[in-house]
Amino acid sequence: DIQMTQSPSTLSASVGDRVTITCRASQSISSWLAWYQQKPGKAPKLLIYKASSLESGVPARFSGSGSGTEFTLTISSLQPDDFATYYCQQYNSYSGTFGQGTKVEIK
Amino acid sequence: EVQLVESGGVVVQPGGSLRLSCAASGFTFDDYTMHWVRQAPGKGLEWVSLISWDGGSTYYADSVKGRFTISRDNSKNSLYLQMNSLRSEDTALYFCAKDGYYGSGTYYLHYFDYWGQGTLVTVSS
Repeated sequence: DIQMTQSPSTLSASVGDRVTITCRASQSISSWLAWYQQKPGKAPKLLIYKASSLESGVPARFSGSGSGTEFTLTISSLQPDDFATYYCQQYNSYSGTFGQGTKVEIK
Repeated sequence: EVQLVESGGVVVQPGGSLRLSCAASGFTFDDYTMHWVRQAPGKGLEWVSLISWDGGSTYYADSVKGRFTISRDNSKNSLYLQMNSLRSEDTALYFCAKDGYYGSGTYYLHYFDYWGQGTLVTVSS
């Protein structure tokens, strides 16, 4: 099975900061990667698919990049609504593995 | 507006059975693959199962294979998950999710563009 590893596990940042989260796959997944945002008690929300395609309605401060085994999610200027947990997910194989999550906290 | 509403989560004893349901609206249900994804309390997300638009193809995570069965009724815009031989490690919030890909092809697991709010399954004696 493909393993997905996110770093860091927790990130402390301030409003206005540029934030980068990394996701590494244990083998190449081409560009078959999605990013989600989840707030406590809520369902995940799709942000990015196919590594860099922004889902409709998602603010442009979110961007994704990478291919193969290394991917990043960048928030260009962190807003109060962005404090949440972020997950990557590969869909190159029938395991649909998620990363363990990165919690973005207020500094 | 796309809506996915799960139901059926309860407290069940180890070894017991349960059937979850998901009522879908706001999109052409029989055009899309549908999924179940779960999240154990305080933990991350785990894909559980998928069913193709016509019900002809199903896939399962190794952790549930042989115990869970996914099905759908396109006439009722509904998705189901029959859960048998439940274990304590199946305790989780179970989400119904819509596959984001529309098109032909025989690969069915993509990203999830809409999610329900989840239904809680607790396996405990």
